[in-house]
Amino acid sequence: KQEVTQIPAALSVPEGENLVLNCSFTDSAIYNLQWFRQDPGKGLTSLLLIQSSQREQTSGRLNASLDKSSGRSTLYIAASQPGDSATYLCAVVGGYQKVTFGIGTKLQVIP
Amino acid sequence: ETGVTQSPTHLIKTRGQQVTLRCSSQSGHNTVSWYQQALGQGPQFIFQYYREEENGRGNFPPRFSGLQFPNYSSELNVNALELDDSALYLCASSFQSAYEQYFGPGTRLTVT
Repeated sequence: KQEVTQIPAALSVPEGENLVLNCSFTDSAIYNLQWFRQDPGKGLTSLLLIQSSQREQTSGRLNASLDKSSGRSTLYIAASQPGDSATYLCAVVGGYQKVTFGIGTKLQVIP
Repeated sequence: ETGVTQSPTHLIKTRGQQVTLRCSSQSGHNTVSWYQQALGQGPQFIFQYYREEENGRGNFPPRFSGLQFPNYSSELNVNALELDDSALYLCASSFQSAYEQYFGPGTRLTVT
């Protein structure tokens, strides 16, 4: 059974700081890994998708890496802004199209 | 390009009742997945539909069922509602399961 863990559960940083969010998964047989952000009570916004054959993806201030063999992914956010405050979730797609999410990291960026 | 939409936004039902939630896929997407998100938890995968066929299922009982229509819109049906079914229900569409998922805003279901 796939399990996805996200560390830390919560993070508070001053504006402008660079930060790293971690995601680990127990079964390396995945098709892809996707990072999302979720604002309170809202749906999920896709940030980055990494296919199993890829090592990283970048979009603006965001960079996500994937090390499938060790079951780890990181989301790097550069020069954090108050608007980045949200919960960040990672999800892996495995066999039989089953998608497993972590519980998320709640990020607060303080002005 | 129209995004993923869900209806209704909020819903209150009584234990034992049945509910139907609806989702319209993003244009060009043929795959829809449904998730249940309890407060403070990550979304839990319910099932996925690809071209009107169930294509994968999570650990949910048979009283959770779904449909996908020829226009790729979808319904989630839940029978014999229980208090623990209270949650945010999210649908996501994609062009096949290996591609990026786009989520709707969700339906907040409260069971009393």
